Amino acid sequence: GAVVSQHPSWVICKSGTSVKIECRSLDFQATTMFWYRQFPKQSLMLMATSNEGSKATYEQGVEKDKFLINHASLTLSTLTVTSAHPEDSSFYICSASGDLSSYEQYFGPGTRLTVT
Amino acid sequence: RKEVEQDPGPFNVPEGATVAFNCTYSNSASQSFFWYRQDCRKEPKLLMSVYSSGNEDGRFTAQLNRASQYISLLIRDSKLSDSATYLCVPTRQLTFGSGTQLTVLP
Repeated sequence: GAVVSQHPSWVICKSGTSVKIECRSLDFQATTMFWYRQFPKQSLMLMATSNEGSKATYEQGVEKDKFLINHASLTLSTLTVTSAHPEDSSFYICSASGDLSSYEQYFGPGTRLTVT
Repeated sequence: RKEVEQDPGPFNVPEGATVAFNCTYSNSASQSFFWYRQDCRKEPKLLMSVYSSGNEDGRFTAQLNRASQYISLLIRDSKLSDSATYLCVPTRQLTFGSGTQLTVLP
């Protein structure tokens, strides 16, 4: 299957700072990338859909000014958590899809963010 | 109503057992599905695509029952490594449920 990388795999930051997470599709061009968040023992929650070269589409309740998404190329999307708070601590997972007919997704390994 | 609903489990089965769990869906227009597995603290991995009445891949069999609007996943000869949470999602959908937790016991 297709490979998606995510960096960093874990990060600890202080309240008020910003953290950037990178998501790369390594062996295919990802027309669309998705960003999810998952709290312990809960399901994946879609945060936003990102298409290369255009603005991301955010799900209801997700602050676009707090979670900045950039999808500058067909292989790279970034999520920046700005002014992080402890409640932003979570598992952030990106996925990439090259098939718009089905949204078959390949997930990155995730980034575990802890805000102290 | 949620797009898909799954019995959260946990299903605890002995190694070698056959186990099946269902995923019911609300949108009768859904024609195809994905099954993903997610290990604890890991990302989901695509297990199987189901585009018609069913699909079989080794020990795993998925069946789609359109009349009753559910999709099932059958695991034969379960292994310890099958322990995970199994998620079903209609294609073209991005909403994941909580999945079904399976633990295979030695």
